[in-house]
Amino acid sequence: GNSVTQMEGPVTLSEEAFLTINCTYTATGYPSLFWYVQYPGEGLQLLLKATKADDKGSNKGFEATYRKETTSFHLEKGSVQVSDSAVYFCALSDQGSNSGYALNFGKGTSLLVTP
Amino acid sequence: DGGITQSPKYLFRKEGQNVTLSCEQNLNHDAMYWYRQDPGQGLRLIYYSQIVNDFQKGDIAEGYSVSREKKESFPLTVTSAQKNPTAFYLCASSISPIGPTEAFFGQGTRLTVV
Repeated sequence: GNSVTQMEGPVTLSEEAFLTINCTYTATGYPSLFWYVQYPGEGLQLLLKATKADDKGSNKGFEATYRKETTSFHLEKGSVQVSDSAVYFCALSDQGSNSGYALNFGKGTSLLVTP
Repeated sequence: DGGITQSPKYLFRKEGQNVTLSCEQNLNHDAMYWYRQDPGQGLRLIYYSQIVNDFQKGDIAEGYSVSREKKESFPLTVTSAQKNPTAFYLCASSISPIGPTEAFFGQGTRLTVV
């Protein structure tokens, strides 16, 4: 079946530090991969996506590359800001046995950036 | 503005009561989804619908029911059979149920059993 594993948090960084949040996946087909961000008390917002191997998704300084050989989609940002503090979810969309193409999520990684 | 609207934002339920969470979208999306979020567990799929008048159980459907009578609406009922309903509920939609695609989310409803 499909699954997503991401590093557990919380992750605490100082402002302007480099961020990496690891994400690996298992899929039976050819999934699309996503990173979502959730601010306290809110829904999820799409941060970036990649639809095929070697694609790089990018948005607001965040990047992630779809690596089929390592089944990974790690999220990176070169210099984090206090406003990046949130929970980040890695997700995939692929044909599931009982879920159609519904997104399958990792457990989320909480990021706290301190001034 | 196009988007997904969930209501209410906060909901309190007494033991043994059924409650219905509203989800409306004006994105003209075919597929809609309900997820449950608990601390440290990510999002788990409750039900999904790929087309009007059709819906399928997700991974944790027990104690929940849905309907899809209109394309833009996908209400979720949390029944008294759901043993631990306190959670954050998220509704989402995607443009097509065919093929991998991103989903767009509402702002969520926080349900608390009192």
